[in-house]
Amino acid sequence: DADVTQTPRNRITKTGKRIMLECSQTKGHDRMYWYRQDPGLGLRLIYYSFDVKDINKGEISDGYSVSRQAQAKFSLSLESAIPNQTALYFCATSDSLGGAGGNQPQHFGDGTRLSIL
Amino acid sequence: QQQVKQSPQSLIVQKGGISIINCAYENTAFDYFPWYQQFPGKGPALLIAIRPDVSEKKEGRFTISFNKSAKQFSLHIMDSQPGDSATYFCAASSNGGTSYGKLTFGQGTILTVHP
Repeated sequence: DADVTQTPRNRITKTGKRIMLECSQTKGHDRMYWYRQDPGLGLRLIYYSFDVKDINKGEISDGYSVSRQAQAKFSLSLESAIPNQTALYFCATSDSLGGAGGNQPQHFGDGTRLSIL
Repeated sequence: QQQVKQSPQSLIVQKGGISIINCAYENTAFDYFPWYQQFPGKGPALLIAIRPDVSEKKEGRFTISFNKSAKQFSLHIMDSQPGDSATYFCAASSNGGTSYGKLTFGQGTILTVHP
């Protein structure tokens, strides 16, 4: 089983719909991240969470919200989807090493391909 | 504002050749520079990383060269193989300040190695 699991893997929906993307991890990491990937733009950070009670906006948080339901679960919501949110979305985790590690590897899921018509 | 700029956007190399991907950064607080490799249908995976106290790090056929004064770092893939065909991302983060615990990624390079 994958250490970082994203569901669904693919989703096609219509403008204005509410969408939730889910991420769960078995790595025991306390930090979790959501990114979107667009051709030519790389990966851009949407939201991140350093523990269950900590939620922070990333570079491109407008139009998105998140929920950290447990240490192992971090979900991303699009309240009212619009076509320019069509992208590949990735969840990632990292280990804070008890708060001592600012620079730790991030472990990614295999992504959700989201298309908004 | 893109704080890490990566080039080229795409690269075609013959089997056995050297692949070189370059990145430049702006934030002098960055002190960790990883490279990620991504295959189609998969998430990025850490390939190799360097910290600014060294100018070069080698792992097998993969080498990072780091130039702190120029604020540039590059990935060299020696003896490139078709199995190296993937998208490569450079990234940067810092152990303090506003970039603590967060990676800033470059735009990505699509590498194709022809047999």
